[in-house]
Amino acid sequence: AQTVTQSQPEMSVQEAETVTLSCTYDTSESDYYLFWYKQPPSRQMILVIRQEAYKQQNATENRFSVNFQKAAKSFSLKISDSQLGDAAMYFCAYVQGGSEKLVFGKGTKLTVNP
Amino acid sequence: NAGVTQTPKFQVLKTGQSMTLQCAQDMNHEYMSWYRQDPGMGLRLIHYSVGAGITDQGEVPNGYNVSRSTTEDFPLRLLSAAPSQTSVYFCATSTGFFAKNIQYFGAGTRLSVL
Repeated sequence: AQTVTQSQPEMSVQEAETVTLSCTYDTSESDYYLFWYKQPPSRQMILVIRQEAYKQQNATENRFSVNFQKAAKSFSLKISDSQLGDAAMYFCAYVQGGSEKLVFGKGTKLTVNP
Repeated sequence: NAGVTQTPKFQVLKTGQSMTLQCAQDMNHEYMSWYRQDPGMGLRLIHYSVGAGITDQGEVPNGYNVSRSTTEDFPLRLLSAAPSQTSVYFCATSTGFFAKNIQYFGAGTRLSVL
């Protein structure tokens, strides 16, 4: 079974600084997708960024970017110019192509200090 | 445009009671799913549906029933609540395969079973 591991239960960053959240996954499949979701205190899950495994280019969305290392099965999220509104739980998730079973990591709580 | 609406937001049950968590969407999405979120566990898929009349089990289906009679609604039923079902429940919708399409989450239902 596929697993997703987030080794950092909590992280903190100063406002305007850069922080990287780690995620590793275990799969024997070649066709899969990876996601980072943000869950603010309101509890609403929000998609931050998505990466298709077949794409070598790292996905970016404004201040958010990923470092996708397929061979190492690593998918880290970099947040640049951190803002107070970035404070949230961040979840890494995996889904095999053709499957509907999304597998989540346990999450990393990000605190942004003013 | 309401998006994904979950009711109720909070619920307290006694062991053995039954109840239905409601999920309604007005985005005409075919794909809907239910997750539970426990502390330190991330989100886990309970059941999902790829269209009206079609449902399938996720990672943790035991103790839960679902049906999908319309595109708009995907209720989750607890037939005999147990303390182990204390959790936050999220409903999500998508236009298609979860891998290739963005999932939109509701605000969640916090359930306590005493």
